[in-house]
Amino acid sequence: EAQVTQNPRYLITVTGKKLTVTCSQNMNHEYMSWYRQDPGLGLRQIYYSMNVEVTDKGDVPEGYKVSRKEKRNFPLILESPSPNQTSLYFCATSPQGDYGYTFGSGTRLTVV
Amino acid sequence: RKEVEQDPGPFNVPEGATVAFNCTYSNSASQSFFWYRQDCRKEPKLLMSVYSSGNEDGRFTAQLNRASQYISLLIRDSKLSDSATYLCVVPMVATNKLIFGTGTLLAVQP
Repeated sequence: EAQVTQNPRYLITVTGKKLTVTCSQNMNHEYMSWYRQDPGLGLRQIYYSMNVEVTDKGDVPEGYKVSRKEKRNFPLILESPSPNQTSLYFCATSPQGDYGYTFGSGTRLTVV
Repeated sequence: RKEVEQDPGPFNVPEGATVAFNCTYSNSASQSFFWYRQDCRKEPKLLMSVYSSGNEDGRFTAQLNRASQYISLLIRDSKLSDSATYLCVVPMVATNKLIFGTGTLLAVQP
């Protein structure tokens, strides 16, 4: 079954404690992206990747890191989380940039 | 002007009604467009893609007006299960970024 798997689904953490949200896809898609969704602001892109070892910043990259060492995985790293990073995060993948994206189930992160 | 704008709603309609949402976009070079459906606290799911003038899938019709730079989504014979937020999405190919509208909330009433 084609899918995008994000983990964890829910996470409560404390300010400054490094965390990683994983994203894995089994569709051999080239494009992968991370988005955060906040009330009133909609979905905003954090980082994207067009292929292995190719990543670039989106609209709101501050405080986040990503890596794309393998095609199937695109983890999102928060080195020192802060409360303003409390949000709903989605990973999304696509075979090409202008095709429809498939989203993971989301990670609800709370930083206290 | 925002890159992608939608009427936030909510649209409250009775079952069986026909409802239409509009979405305007600012980049005249955009070539493809999408409508996504998002249920509360769930991931967005692709509903329809629009690459030319329009697309139809059952009760759903998407139309593109390039001259006026808007995309519409028409839902006929609304069902209770159509209640959700509908997101208009425009990919910016040059930047590989999806630009999302803030969504239109539809509530179908029994």
